[in-house]
Amino acid sequence: DTEVTQTPKHLVMGMTNKKSLKCEQHMGHRAMYWYKQKAKKPPELMFVYSYEKLSINESVPSRFSPECPNSSLLNLHLHALQPEDSALYLCASSQDGTSSGNTIYFGEGSWLTVV
Amino acid sequence: AQSVAQPEDQVNVAEGNPLTVKCTYSVSGNPYLFWYVQYPNRGLQFLLKYITGDNLVKGSYGFEAEFNKSQTSFHLKKPSALVSDSALYFCAVRDMWSGNTPLVFGKGTRLSVIA
Repeated sequence: DTEVTQTPKHLVMGMTNKKSLKCEQHMGHRAMYWYKQKAKKPPELMFVYSYEKLSINESVPSRFSPECPNSSLLNLHLHALQPEDSALYLCASSQDGTSSGNTIYFGEGSWLTVV
Repeated sequence: AQSVAQPEDQVNVAEGNPLTVKCTYSVSGNPYLFWYVQYPNRGLQFLLKYITGDNLVKGSYGFEAEFNKSQTSFHLKKPSALVSDSALYFCAVRDMWSGNTPLVFGKGTRLSVIA
């Protein structure tokens, strides 16, 4: 089973709202990722958690706040977003961190529209 | 530094014909190489990877890729294309010796299989 589950599938939020994206995996993976993807572009890495600790933050604005409550869950808290933040947000996981040949498995994504 | 190039934005092929999607890479050490496919409005699906060993790697849905170290290439191939193969394909690389460095994606190649 190589499943990463993301909720919600679609989210529309105003610029003053606070919302969260959620991600769950039950593969026993110890690394989890958030990516942002614009239409027809490759995914851009935002954050990496390794063994429940934030290991990589790719200079993401503070209006995006990640949280890893346990080894199976990853959240992305959203606050005061801008319309240009509208995108597909992909969660992913791998057996361990980034310095390996382990496969990264992606969820189906959450489509975010900021109005 | 590590990088990956997908020289074609779009590849068109007739159903039943062989297909090739090109990928070249640049790393300081030895590469880990991956291919992912993204169908419309979906997340990325893992197709295959090269870590070490046999240069010809077989993956999901009848796809295969050949690692060529002298040409620094990892082209994706399929002997007989299906209309359902139409999607966006991403090549990705990680340098085996680069420490805690994330996966780097190419810009993507859109494959269109025409019936």
